[in-house]
Amino acid sequence: DSGVTQTPKHLITATGQRVTLRCSPRSGDLSVYWYQQSLDQGLQFLIQYYNGEERAKGNILERFSAQQFPDLHSELNLSSLELGDSALYFCASSAGLAGETQYFGPGTRLLVL
Amino acid sequence: QKEVEQDPGPLSVPEGAIVSLNCTYSNSAFQYFMWYRQYSRKGPELLMYTYSSGNKEDGRFTAQVDKSSKYISLFIRDSQPSDSATYLCAMRGGSSNTGKLIFGQGTTLQVKP
Repeated sequence: DSGVTQTPKHLITATGQRVTLRCSPRSGDLSVYWYQQSLDQGLQFLIQYYNGEERAKGNILERFSAQQFPDLHSELNLSSLELGDSALYFCASSAGLAGETQYFGPGTRLLVL
Repeated sequence: QKEVEQDPGPLSVPEGAIVSLNCTYSNSAFQYFMWYRQYSRKGPELLMYTYSSGNKEDGRFTAQVDKSSKYISLFIRDSQPSDSATYLCAMRGGSSNTGKLIFGQGTTLQVKP
């Protein structure tokens, strides 16, 4: 167990809908990262937050947004969902900004029908 | 062309074999190199972490980085059925402002008893 928790584990929804994925980092970790894993693209970095502030952005679609709250948990919001958004979404956390060791959560499996 | 290339396999070996997993990369700014192991339906877990060129050993695992060739390797000695998983290489630049990781596609390894 990495200490990173993610809810829900599974999510099935329809195209056009909006969902929210939640992540709680390991105790004491200030950085939260979101990654998307699909069969064709592999594991791709989406966004990083550090102590409530956005620090880096990757290939995150405009339909996706995230935030980190004062208690350091983070949410990833996915809207206007498309079939191609079906994937595993992982949250990771690290103690510092540079993420020398990132601990991954168990992931949320999203299926868009 | 992807920044990080990794042969997806699958790779099948008998128990006790030495396994060699490799990644090549194109971005010379990468300074930190990692290997993650991912079991089916689980989040990636960090196996090895190296900075710049050189070797690092941890039990049955050895990581090698050759920055001049932009090539990294993971060797697994005396492979066990429990090593059956997907192995992902990951890397990032030298900036201390972000922990954004770039992952390879992952190599699926099966160790047969």
